[in-house]
Amino acid sequence: GAVVSQHPSRVICKSGTSVKIECRSLDFQATTMFWYRQFPKQSLMLMATSNEGSKATYEQGVEKDKFLINHASLTLSTLTVTSAHPEDSSFYICSASQTGRVSYGYTFGSGTRLTVV
Amino acid sequence: GNSVTQMEGPVTLSEEAFLTINCTYTATGYPSLFWYVQYPGEGLQLLLKATKADDKGSNKGFEATYRKETTSFHLEKGSVQVSDSAVYFCALSEGITGGGNKLTFGTGTQLKVEL
Repeated sequence: GAVVSQHPSRVICKSGTSVKIECRSLDFQATTMFWYRQFPKQSLMLMATSNEGSKATYEQGVEKDKFLINHASLTLSTLTVTSAHPEDSSFYICSASQTGRVSYGYTFGSGTRLTVV
Repeated sequence: GNSVTQMEGPVTLSEEAFLTINCTYTATGYPSLFWYVQYPGEGLQLLLKATKADDKGSNKGFEATYRKETTSFHLEKGSVQVSDSAVYFCALSEGITGGGNKLTFGTGTQLKVEL
């Protein structure tokens, strides 16, 4: 079945530094990638949608200069949290889908726990 | 816009009890409906889905039927196990499964199953 690999699973960084999270589709071409943020005991908040080769579409209230999304190939999307601060600490999850392939649906990565100290 | 409402948790059950987690939705058009499960510290796994009215999704003993007349997609299982303890999310998307349309999630319902 479809697999999405997300790395790292956990990262701790100092305030003011940048962190990159990778999301790879291992056995299918992900034409669309979604990035979510999840606060403790809460639902997933969609941050942005990216289509391969084009700029990401950000949801209202999400700072595109702070959360940089790159979807340069059909198997890789990255989320970079720039100048991270403690309030950026959260669980980030990616999801990939392939347009036209009904059987794949939406496949989620295993998530990245970001802690900014 | 689209929205999903699911019952608040946590839901605590004894092993082998019957489970129902309610989910209702609001959407334009004809959405696809999903149940996802999240175990602690992990991402989401698709549990089951239904793409049109009266479809029944099923997997691992869980079932949900797409009810257009009541705009509902309630999750049920006849006999829960301790290993079913997790957070369950109801979600919808416009258009075909696997398309580029975003998912709209409910708030999640935590299930705790005790011996």
